[in-house]
Amino acid sequence: QVLLVQSGGEVRKPGASVKVSCKSSGYTFINSDLTWVRQAPGQGLEWMGWLSTYTGDTNYAQKFQDRVSMTRDTSTNTAFLELRSLRSDDTAVYYCAAKVATLGAPNDHFDLWGPGTMVTISS
Amino acid sequence: QSALTQPASVSGSPGQSITISCNGTGSDIGAYDYVSWYYQHPGKGPQLMIYDVSYRPSGVSSRFSGSKSANTASLTISGLQAEDEADYYCSSYTKFNTVIFGGGTKLTVL
Repeated sequence: QVLLVQSGGEVRKPGASVKVSCKSSGYTFINSDLTWVRQAPGQGLEWMGWLSTYTGDTNYAQKFQDRVSMTRDTSTNTAFLELRSLRSDDTAVYYCAAKVATLGAPNDHFDLWGPGTMVTISS
Repeated sequence: QSALTQPASVSGSPGQSITISCNGTGSDIGAYDYVSWYYQHPGKGPQLMIYDVSYRPSGVSSRFSGSKSANTASLTISGLQAEDEADYYCSSYTKFNTVIFGGGTKLTVL
């Protein structure tokens, strides 16, 4: 079964960091880039950036450039999102997503989504 | 980059057709034929309904169709059904090798 499985919900204090994982199964991990999208409560979807699971190259949204890292472990088919210097407006569901059914550039749409990880920032 | 512009809400009766618009710029929608649409039921993750402007993934009903003209993309749902009630998001690949989403449209089936 083609799946993305994400780590469980997290609670952090302002200023802290959080690392969310996304493990793939059922397809070849390095064939599909991995994208992270977040959704604040009651708000829309926000693209955070993508990770080449093959090379490790990344492309981050400008607003997150200085405090986000996207990495992967090809031995476990797992991608990671780390967000630092957390603020209250980082409270959101964080999704990993991939384009699996249609391969090739660009990484423009996502037909496989993880269930989401709720990250709550609260003092 | 600002989000793509969608109407906050649309509504229609069962059996009718509705269209949701998505306005962008020449740096995103107008630049490529890489517009996608997602369906999201409250409390659930997004689901791809349309990609590359007008292509439907396997399993998506033919009642859903997409189109684009200049900097505006559209999603049309024909033969509206109660189960279509959800939030819909457009997205576009951009000249900056990024993806931008619309603000979302809440579809109500009356």
